[in-house]
Amino acid sequence: RKEVEQDPGPFNVPEGATVAFNCTYSNSASQSFFWYRQDCRKEPKLLMSVYSSGNEDGRFTAQLNRASQYISLLIRDSKLSDSATYLCVVNNDMRFGAGTRLTVKP
Amino acid sequence: GAVVSQHPSWVICKSGTSVKIECRSLDFQATTMFWYRQFPKQSLMLMATSNEGSKATYEQGVEKDKFLINHASLTLSTLTVTSAHPEDSSFYICSARDSWSTGELFFGEGSRLTVL
Repeated sequence: RKEVEQDPGPFNVPEGATVAFNCTYSNSASQSFFWYRQDCRKEPKLLMSVYSSGNEDGRFTAQLNRASQYISLLIRDSKLSDSATYLCVVNNDMRFGAGTRLTVKP
Repeated sequence: GAVVSQHPSWVICKSGTSVKIECRSLDFQATTMFWYRQFPKQSLMLMATSNEGSKATYEQGVEKDKFLINHASLTLSTLTVTSAHPEDSSFYICSARDSWSTGELFFGEGSRLTVL
């Protein structure tokens, strides 16, 4: 089993839609979790950290489920500019999930 | 915020030559830096973990003699692709984390290597 697994998508959604991605991890001792965003031919950039109690940043909500060993990212009211690949990082080993490709269409 | 600078941003070289890519943390010290490779439409793959003052730790399947990593200071790590071949053409990205932090990774802008 891979350390970090993501549904690669692609997710094609209309503008204004709500979309959610999950990322499962295998190491139950993992302590730090992050969501990154990568635009085509660019380096990843931090979108948000994931806290145990869940956290929200504008239209983005991140949650951690330790029992089932996954983190999630929810995007509300999708914008065209949200189109990107979303990567999860489980900090223990610096390995990325394969990324989930999101395309928001007008 | 912290900045990681990577150079060159793109390079074209002939098959058989060696190419060096630099990764610098500009405003923080990085005991550890990470090197990734990304082929088109594929995920970031961790190649190696670069440790300041010691040997790098390579991921399974990554040839250490092919991809030489040097981390001589707390702000600089280099990746040298030796005897490059067309199949080495890829997007190479480094990242670093503040030595005092266990949090966010900061990424360089990436280096796009094309081997002719």
